[in-house]
Amino acid sequence: EAGVAQSPRYKIIEKRQSVAFWCNPISGHATLYWYQQILGQGPKLLIQFQNNGVVDDSQLPKDRFSAERLKGVDSTLKIQPAKLEDSAVYLCASSVLTGKTEAFFGQGTRLTVV
Amino acid sequence: GQSLEQPSEVTAVEGAIVQINCTYQTSGFYGLSWYQQHDGGAPTFLSYNALDGLEETGRFSSFLSRSDSYGYLLLQELQMKDSASYFCATGGSQGNLIFGKGTKLSVKP
Repeated sequence: EAGVAQSPRYKIIEKRQSVAFWCNPISGHATLYWYQQILGQGPKLLIQFQNNGVVDDSQLPKDRFSAERLKGVDSTLKIQPAKLEDSAVYLCASSVLTGKTEAFFGQGTRLTVV
Repeated sequence: GQSLEQPSEVTAVEGAIVQINCTYQTSGFYGLSWYQQHDGGAPTFLSYNALDGLEETGRFSSFLSRSDSYGYLLLQELQMKDSASYFCATGGSQGNLIFGKGTKLSVKP
């Protein structure tokens, strides 16, 4: 079974530039999560989708971050414009259903904003 | 809101037993999970407790007491490869999956 795929693995951008991350969840998984993990901290939930509907986006900085999951499969997360404090690893995860706490993670995208 | 508290660091020696505690506050409850993350890697699922009691998976066990909003992960026969960060996580009333800040376990020879 293929795992969660994310791209790119690494990205370096200047502040005020924009960046996009892509995630393809495990086939058949209805729930998709985007997390931000700053070095030394736990993953912070940015947005959670159930199919193509949003379950929780309470911690998504909506003035600069956006995410979509068209057709309920793959998803993109965008940051525009980026700030220095956005430097982090962005993790995508999926699970069979919302409420199932066994989530499978991709390898993440390490973003450095300079 | 939801929050989970766990110790930031734990150190133990190879072959020993270590317990990592987690207390939580959630408006709803979808059970308590534990994840392991090695430096530079992605979190991987270890165990899940929906009901009170102990769940055992090889060298790892996890315990939950819903009345105390408390759980722990027990690692036995520690090995060097167990050096990693361990996160407790729970789902709230919306089923959103929230993580604690993590406990960094260092296993010494």
